[in-house]
Amino acid sequence: EADIYQTPRYLVIGTGKKITLECSQTMGHDKMYWYQQDPGMELHLIHYSYGVNSTEKGDLSSESTVSRIRTEHFPLTLESARPSHTSQYLCASSDSTSPGDEQFFGPGTRLTVL
Amino acid sequence: AQRVTQPEKLLSVFKGAPVELKCNYSYSGSPELFWYVQYSRQRLQLLLRHISRESIKGFTADLNKGETSFHLKKPFAQEEDSAMYYCAGVGSGKFYFGSGTKLNVKP
Repeated sequence: EADIYQTPRYLVIGTGKKITLECSQTMGHDKMYWYQQDPGMELHLIHYSYGVNSTEKGDLSSESTVSRIRTEHFPLTLESARPSHTSQYLCASSDSTSPGDEQFFGPGTRLTVL
Repeated sequence: AQRVTQPEKLLSVFKGAPVELKCNYSYSGSPELFWYVQYSRQRLQLLLRHISRESIKGFTADLNKGETSFHLKKPFAQEEDSAMYYCAGVGSGKFYFGSGTKLNVKP
């Protein structure tokens, strides 16, 4: 079934740890995105990709990095987690050939850094 | 800067009452605007987009360039409409989301 997956759904980790948030989609979409969302606040675009080997930073400065080696996979990595990274991270994808560029969202990863 | 503003964090109405969720934008050129919705324990999903001029689940949204607004309206709210609603716009290939409005429809 075509879908977009995020793992883990919840992560509690100590300061200084390296973490990778996984995002995979089986929708055949070329574009993928990472958003950061604090409760009751806007979604902020932190990274996006228009295809394999294409990655760009979004408008919200982030210490995270991403890679796009395969079309369906767009992991986000934090080399050294800090409490300020505590947030919800949403992955999304879209098909650049479809009108309106509708984004499809994953279930999110809620990260807590102690 | 291109952005989307939702002035209300919470909107409570009774079932059957009209509802209007406000969204204002500041974009140059012709904006592409959307409404996304997130029901409890579900993912964020597209509700409607202005280019389609469609009505989804009884909701409509009209782009008003004079007022730079894209308010979401429904004449008779239902309890199942209770959710978080996000206005979003596209500029320079990037999506910009508003801070969201929580709609609570009371029985």
